[in-house]
Amino acid sequence: NAGVTQTPKFQVLKTGQSMTLQCAQDMNHNSMYWYRQDPGMGLRLIYYSASEGTTDKGEVPNGYNVSRLNKREFSLRLESAAPSQTSVYFCASIRGRESPLHFGNGTRLTVT
Amino acid sequence: GQQVMQIPQYQHVQEGEDFTTYCNSSTTLSNIQWYKQRPGGHPVFLIQLVKSGEVKKQKRLTFQFGEAKKNSSLHITATQTTDVGTYFCAINDYKLSFGAGTTVTVRA
Repeated sequence: NAGVTQTPKFQVLKTGQSMTLQCAQDMNHNSMYWYRQDPGMGLRLIYYSASEGTTDKGEVPNGYNVSRLNKREFSLRLESAAPSQTSVYFCASIRGRESPLHFGNGTRLTVT
Repeated sequence: GQQVMQIPQYQHVQEGEDFTTYCNSSTTLSNIQWYKQRPGGHPVFLIQLVKSGEVKKQKRLTFQFGEAKKNSSLHITATQTTDVGTYFCAINDYKLSFGAGTTVTVRA
C-alpha cells in the first residue's frame, strides 16, 4: 500500500519552462489537494478536487492548472514557470470530510 | 474561507521542559486537526478534535478544543529531541486550511 505517490521528487526549471507534477493515490480517496509550502508560510492550497471530475481553486491558484485524470490521479501543471514558484509542493488525499489528510513525500521545485 | 492563526511561530525548548502551542480562529470551527512535519518530511496527521471542550491525549501530547470551538491547543510535556518539527493545525472545511505552524527546536 503506497499511499500517495508524487513524482518527481526534485526538479529544476528555467524561467518560462513548463512541467507537470504527478500525483496518484491508491486508497480510493474521493478528494485530492495540491499545496505549496514556503518558509514561514505554512501550507497554502493551490487547487483541490472534491471528487472525480471536479476541480476548484484554492488560496494561490495563479500560474497553475490541474487535471483530475481519474479517481486515483491529480496532476498539477506549471505552464510558464517563474522564480516565485520555487517551493515544495505536496499532494494530499482524503477519504471524506472529517477524515485525516494523507500527504505525499513532496516535490522540491527550483525555478531559476 | 476560514483562517487560523498559530502562535508562537517558533518555540525553542530545553529538553525535558513543557510547552504549548495555540491555534486561534475568529469563527466557530466544526472541527480541527493537528499535524506534525519532521524536518525534510511531509505533514503527518496526529489527531482530530470535534466536540466543544474535547481533550485528547497521545502519550506526552495533550490536545484541547476550546469550549467555544474557536481555538485549540497542543501541550507537550517533558519535551524530547524526537518532538522536533513543525506542528500545524488545520480546519477541515473541504478546503483544508492550515495555520502557518509552530516550529519546535529542542536544546539538549
